[in-house]
Amino acid sequence: LAKTTQPISMDSYEGQEVNITCSHNNIATNDYITWYQQFPSQGPRFIIQGYKTKVTNEVASLFIPADRKSSTLSLPRVSLSDTAVYYCLVAALDSNYQLIWGAGTKLIIKP
Amino acid sequence: DVKVTQSSRYLVKRTGEKVFLECVQDMDHENMFWYRQDPGLGLRLIYFSYDVKMKEKGDIPEGYSVSREKKERFSLILESASTNQTSMYLCASSSLAGVYEQYFGPGTRLTVT
Repeated sequence: LAKTTQPISMDSYEGQEVNITCSHNNIATNDYITWYQQFPSQGPRFIIQGYKTKVTNEVASLFIPADRKSSTLSLPRVSLSDTAVYYCLVAALDSNYQLIWGAGTKLIIKP
Repeated sequence: DVKVTQSSRYLVKRTGEKVFLECVQDMDHENMFWYRQDPGLGLRLIYFSYDVKMKEKGDIPEGYSVSREKKERFSLILESASTNQTSMYLCASSSLAGVYEQYFGPGTRLTVT
């Protein structure tokens, strides 16, 4: 069963690129990797998902190496409003509905 | 935009009370989920449902039950609330094939005294 591990907290400065890594050593063939963002007093919000290599959208990039045992969420040129908790999720797209959430990384952006 | 609403933002109940938490989604999603969120523990799945009247246990179902009588509505029931069920409860929904892309409600902060 996949277990996800991510750093408890990170901080950075406005304008920097931030990379948050999640390790999932026992990821299965059918598992997808997803990242969510959560602000205080709100539910998590989907950011990006991928299976392998690199995925980019208007908000972030997701890098997944060939062995898929880790993934890195990359936030370009962060601003104060990116201060939030970021969760990785490893989920199987089959009837088993295995959902393995990381404990979250609290990202603090400083001016 | 997908909208997931939860019946209360804050709830205070006494030990032993029966508690109902309601969740409604407006996107005709097949899947619905109930999580609890505690500091340092992230999100833990309590129950999920992939169809009306269908339910599956998640990682921590003890002390909870669920009901899904209509596709848009998923209820979490605490039969006899205890102080260790004080937590943030989050409801989510997704399409059948999009289990990794879940849409969350704002959460209900439940305090059991």
